[in-house]
Amino acid sequence: AQKVTQAQTEISVVEKEDVTLDCVYETRDTTYYLFWYKQPPSGELVFLIRRNSFDEQNEISGRYSWNFQKSTSSFNFTITASQVVDSAVYFCALNTNAGKSTFGDGTTLTVKP
Amino acid sequence: NAGVTQTPKFRILKIGQSMTLQCAQDMNHNYMYWYRQDPGMGLKLIYYSVGAGITDKGEVPNGYNVSRSTTEDFPLRLELAAPSQTSVYFCASSYPARGGSGNTIYFGEGSWLTVV
Repeated sequence: AQKVTQAQTEISVVEKEDVTLDCVYETRDTTYYLFWYKQPPSGELVFLIRRNSFDEQNEISGRYSWNFQKSTSSFNFTITASQVVDSAVYFCALNTNAGKSTFGDGTTLTVKP
Repeated sequence: NAGVTQTPKFRILKIGQSMTLQCAQDMNHNYMYWYRQDPGMGLKLIYYSVGAGITDKGEVPNGYNVSRSTTEDFPLRLELAAPSQTSVYFCASSYPARGGSGNTIYFGEGSWLTVV
């Protein structure tokens, strides 16, 4: 069975603060893919990043960075110098080549001006 | 650049009615999915398909049916609608691949369904 846990239900920060969203996953597959999606108030799901289980390199994209650690089954997401436009629900997800995907329950991030 | 298209965007159903949510993708993806998202909650997998003619149950399949007669289309059928099926429904697709953008799940814009 697969499972994705986002322990933080809601996070509130003040603009320009750094914030880390946690994601812990469980799977028996040795090949899997991890994702982060953003869901702004408008409701669409915006793809942010994809990571393969065989690639543990961390990644930075502008103010976003991701830390993938297989040893702890974690795939955490950090926003540096947060902005009000970052306010959204963020989902971590796990997918395998078998096609079955699992999403976490999401973390609602509120960035206050 | 259509991607994943789902219709209708909004629908109100009466209890006991049936309807079909349509989903089509033009990316030649093998895998297609239906999720539901209840207010303030995450996405739950209803059904998925790894190719034409193959479907499988996800986490919350009860009250729904799917079919996959072509690679492009993956309709979701609601039989005997119940208030508990009030939700936002997302169709999605992906393709299995070790490299490139494989396994990235591409979503439709969502269908808001209310059962009264």
